[in-house]
Amino acid sequence: SQKIEQNSEALNIQEGKTATLTCNYTNYSPAYLQWYRQDPGRGPVFLLLIRENEKEKRKERLKVTFDTTLKQSLFHITASQPADSATYLCALAGYALNFGKGTSLLVTP
Amino acid sequence: NAGVTQTPKFQVLKTGQSMTLQCAQDMNHNSMYWYRQDPGMGLRLIYYSASEGTTDKGEVPNGYNVSRLNKREFSLRLESAAPSQTSVYFCASLGSPLGMGDTNTGELFFGEGSRLTVL
Repeated sequence: SQKIEQNSEALNIQEGKTATLTCNYTNYSPAYLQWYRQDPGRGPVFLLLIRENEKEKRKERLKVTFDTTLKQSLFHITASQPADSATYLCALAGYALNFGKGTSLLVTP
Repeated sequence: NAGVTQTPKFQVLKTGQSMTLQCAQDMNHNSMYWYRQDPGMGLRLIYYSASEGTTDKGEVPNGYNVSRLNKREFSLRLESAAPSQTSVYFCASLGSPLGMGDTNTGELFFGEGSRLTVL
């Protein structure tokens, strides 16, 4: 069966460090992958899309990599700030977007 | 520009009661979706509508019905609510493709969610 796995344990890091979140998938051949941010009590908000033929995509302090051989995407936030604290969801293309369970990130001052 | 609007934001039902969750988008998007989000389960697709007049089942459609009333509105109905349907429900619409020649690569725009408790 198809699975999307994100670290279930919360990630706690210090302000200014780089946060790295992982998204692994099995039994998928996605044409693209997306990352979303979700704050408590709110709907998810789109951050980045990366296509299967792209190795890396950047947007301001965000960087996403996509390795279709390893079936893995890494999501990096450089120079992290307390305002980056949220849950981050990866989503894979299918007939609709299929979401992982998300990883909670806490950035402490 | 309101984006995706869901009503109600909160609802408490008794087992066996029925209700409809309403969703409307003002971005002229073709595709709309209903997801539910439960602790430890992530977002799961209930139903989707690729265009006005069409609807299809997602991963967890049992106990739900949908209506794509027009291009703007996509409603989700619980005919006989069960405690297992206690969840947060999100409606979303699919934006334009994010690149030349892409299909369906748009971002999803989500509503703020409807928190449903079934006692």
